[in-house]
Amino acid sequence: KNEVEQSPQNLTAQEGEFITINCSYSVGISALHWLQQHPGGGIVSLFMLSSGKKKHGRLIATINIQEKHSSLHITASHPRDSAVYICAVLDSNYQLIWGAGTKLIIKP
Amino acid sequence: KAGVTQTPRYLIKTRGQQVTLSCSPISGHRSVSWYQQTPGQGLQFLFEYFSETQRNKGNFPGRFSGRQFSNSRSEMNVSTLELGDSALYLCASSPGGRSYGYTFGSGTRLTVV
Repeated sequence: KNEVEQSPQNLTAQEGEFITINCSYSVGISALHWLQQHPGGGIVSLFMLSSGKKKHGRLIATINIQEKHSSLHITASHPRDSAVYICAVLDSNYQLIWGAGTKLIIKP
Repeated sequence: KAGVTQTPRYLIKTRGQQVTLSCSPISGHRSVSWYQQTPGQGLQFLFEYFSETQRNKGNFPGRFSGRQFSNSRSEMNVSTLELGDSALYLCASSPGGRSYGYTFGSGTRLTVV
């Protein structure tokens, strides 16, 4: 079993839909990152969380430390949100452990 | 302010050759981490440098090495290239405290033929 599990692996939705991507982890962490990777490879860091909730524009990230679970939400989704979303946790040895990513496609 | 700069963006090498990739972190950032991304293995941690010292190392063979200079720029070297080394190599910088977030470069896409 992977230490960081993301679901779903693939997600296709219509423009405007509310999107939720989930991340569960099994190790102790000091922080959790949500990252976005567009075709071509560039990675953008969206959020770093150690507790609670963060919001940036249409993106919301939450984390429940007790349940070892985090969610990334996208409101009013748009085709430009199409990308791979990656969850990564910073473990107690301060190494990033990566989820496999969720490929999101938003259709116009 | 300038982001993380990786050079070159694309590289084609032949088996057996060696390659050096460069990463210039955001000004003021002292930590640089390197990652390899392949379709089959996903993102894997190579190593992290902080103030010219290797602070963490992933499970890669000794053909993969790196260093960091006094200006925090980092280089990664791969010797005796193998076909399986074809990948996107990403570097990320952070201010240094491990609770800080990471800023990623656009990556170097290495193709070994």
